[in-house]
Amino acid sequence: NAGVTQTPKFRVLKTGQSMTLLCAQDMNHEYMYWYRQDPGMGLRLIHYSVGEGTTAKGEVPDGYNVSRLKKQNFLLGLESAAPSQTSVYFCASSYSTSGGFEQYFGPGTRLTVT
Amino acid sequence: GESVGLHLPTLSVQEGDNSIINCAYSNSASDYFIWYKQESGKGPQFIIDIRSNMDKRQGQRVTVLLNKTVKHLSLQIAATQPGDSAVYFCAVLRGSNYKLTFGKGTLLTVNP
Repeated sequence: NAGVTQTPKFRVLKTGQSMTLLCAQDMNHEYMYWYRQDPGMGLRLIHYSVGEGTTAKGEVPDGYNVSRLKKQNFLLGLESAAPSQTSVYFCASSYSTSGGFEQYFGPGTRLTVT
Repeated sequence: GESVGLHLPTLSVQEGDNSIINCAYSNSASDYFIWYKQESGKGPQFIIDIRSNMDKRQGQRVTVLLNKTVKHLSLQIAATQPGDSAVYFCAVLRGSNYKLTFGKGTLLTVNP
């Protein structure tokens, strides 16, 4: 049982490049989330999903897109990276019919945009 | 909406002392509260949670207290150890809105 995994762990992009961050969970959770964490800002919600095939905007969605084609995977895309997107990105999942609402987090992806 | 505030961004304690980390929330309809621990370079890790129908909940060396009257939440760590050094976040959830609102975190430093 690996919990929540994220790929890649580190990435450096040039301004304007695109990339996709992959999140996978093996806990059969219904909900999945993408956060960014910046110094002094805490965790801010980018997008989330309450089930396979559904996505919704969070607090800071601009510049990002997401997809949830399979229940266990949640992808975060940056179409044209900007230096302001330099951050640590965390994926989380929560809620199964046998569990509670606490969110379980992955190890994070450290992204630098130059 | 909901906002989650922090009383102290940093806390320094001696090994063996008890630590108390505080959190305040704004929405009286909030009904689920969680504390997370985040070590350097890692993702947040679930510590303990409490629902609004409770005032206190205990885990291993940790206790969460909820005061709904003043919308205040605290995490108590007994006999603090060097391994407890981390950033601690409180998070609040309201009703069927499954989005958590996080506080900005308290950095706990344990001195040997």
